[in-house]
Amino acid sequence: DAGVIQSPRHEVTEMGQEVTLRCKPISGHDYLFWYRQTMMRGLELLIYFNNNVPIDDSGMPEDRFSAKMPNASFSTLKIQPSEPRDSAVYFCASSSRGDYGYTFGSGTRLTVV
Amino acid sequence: AQTVTQSQPEMSVQEAETVTLSCTYDTSESNYYLFWYKQPPSRQMILVIRQEAYKQQNATENRFSVNFQKAAKSFSLKISDSQLGDTAMYFCAFMTPTGNQFYFGTGTSLTVIP
Repeated sequence: DAGVIQSPRHEVTEMGQEVTLRCKPISGHDYLFWYRQTMMRGLELLIYFNNNVPIDDSGMPEDRFSAKMPNASFSTLKIQPSEPRDSAVYFCASSSRGDYGYTFGSGTRLTVV
Repeated sequence: AQTVTQSQPEMSVQEAETVTLSCTYDTSESNYYLFWYKQPPSRQMILVIRQEAYKQQNATENRFSVNFQKAAKSFSLKISDSQLGDTAMYFCAFMTPTGNQFYFGTGTSLTVIP
């Protein structure tokens, strides 16, 4: 398996633009997580899905953030409109019940200027 | 609520020496899982080792081992024969079986000095 695949690896965008981050989880994993990592706040859980259904989105900072999982092999995290304070590394991770531990993707470094 | 505390923001160790990273946690759960993740400069999060709370035996993975003290809620990571490739940020994490959610510490930045 190729692991959790995230794209793009780097994204630089201007304030106000829409940004879409993508994630392909490991095949067979039924949990998918989106995390944000910053120096100030560390790793923060934004949202997680189970069997493509959002279970807990309490970590989504505001309405500008949205996430979807249209099928078991694909998820997106969208920020619209983006702001400089959204600059961070965004990680996607997946896991399977009974397989304790996440597998992380390599992250997307987002810079909003 | 679960909390994970890593009290050492930065540490350094000479190559080939041994270093121990500290982690404490707080929970009212009786069964849970603990992990150490490594994040090198490439930023990939890599699982180093994991421990089930119901197991008394400390987990070991090659040069990495843990000292799990359940009563003290302590979960330290020992790295033996440190190598330059061990230079990374190390995160301690806690997970309950039912929650399927991780709680991460703030990390310890480890530098291995040649």
